[in-house]
Amino acid sequence: AQKITQTQPGMFVQEKEAVTLDCTYDTSDPSYGLFWYKQPSSGEMIFLIYQGSYDQQNATEGRYSLNFQKARKSANLVISASQLGDSAMYFCAMRDLPSSGGSYIPTFGRGTSLIVHP
Amino acid sequence: ETGVTQTPRHLVMGMTNKKSLKCEQHLGHNAMYWYKQSAKKPLELMFVYNFKEQTENNSVPSRFSPECPNSSHLFLHLHTLQPEDSALYLCASSQDSPTGTKYWYFGAGTRLSVL
Repeated sequence: AQKITQTQPGMFVQEKEAVTLDCTYDTSDPSYGLFWYKQPSSGEMIFLIYQGSYDQQNATEGRYSLNFQKARKSANLVISASQLGDSAMYFCAMRDLPSSGGSYIPTFGRGTSLIVHP
Repeated sequence: ETGVTQTPRHLVMGMTNKKSLKCEQHLGHNAMYWYKQSAKKPLELMFVYNFKEQTENNSVPSRFSPECPNSSHLFLHLHTLQPEDSALYLCASSQDSPTGTKYWYFGAGTRLSVL
């Protein structure tokens, strides 16, 4: 079973509007972390936001917020007031138990391509 | 400035060539990672190093040979590659802690084409 599921291969949004990118996850570890990354066409993976499983409040970073619904195992990214520069691939990732080698390794979803229209 | 620098940014090589990818992190992190990103595929973990020791090898073919001389530098040596090895190779670093890692910082990647 996939640990991270992003069901939207592509999303379109009008400039200045808000958009929600979906992410569901699967883990049996009570301690885990959820992440969102942005990857523009240049290739670099840019860290956007982090949510810990024990955090009481939803994470926010500027125009980015993470809608964390623990019971539903969802961690949707909300981008408010979309800008043309937000056009990129967006990846949801999770970190739970360390591997057998002792390292923490993030598991990534397949990504959602976001296109912002002027 | 991401703190993780990868060189070269682009590389074209023949199947008989030998080349190396370099990654350097200026963040004081203890763990470094190589990922492969092929078109229309999820990110694939290749190798993980923690304090210079390899902790993960995700069944990567031996034509890819990693090297981690210290916690700040990571190399990926390439030889006799195949066209299907053409991809974006991403390096990442993190600071592992007992409560779990909170951030992975990625470099801009090396776009590799094997002819």
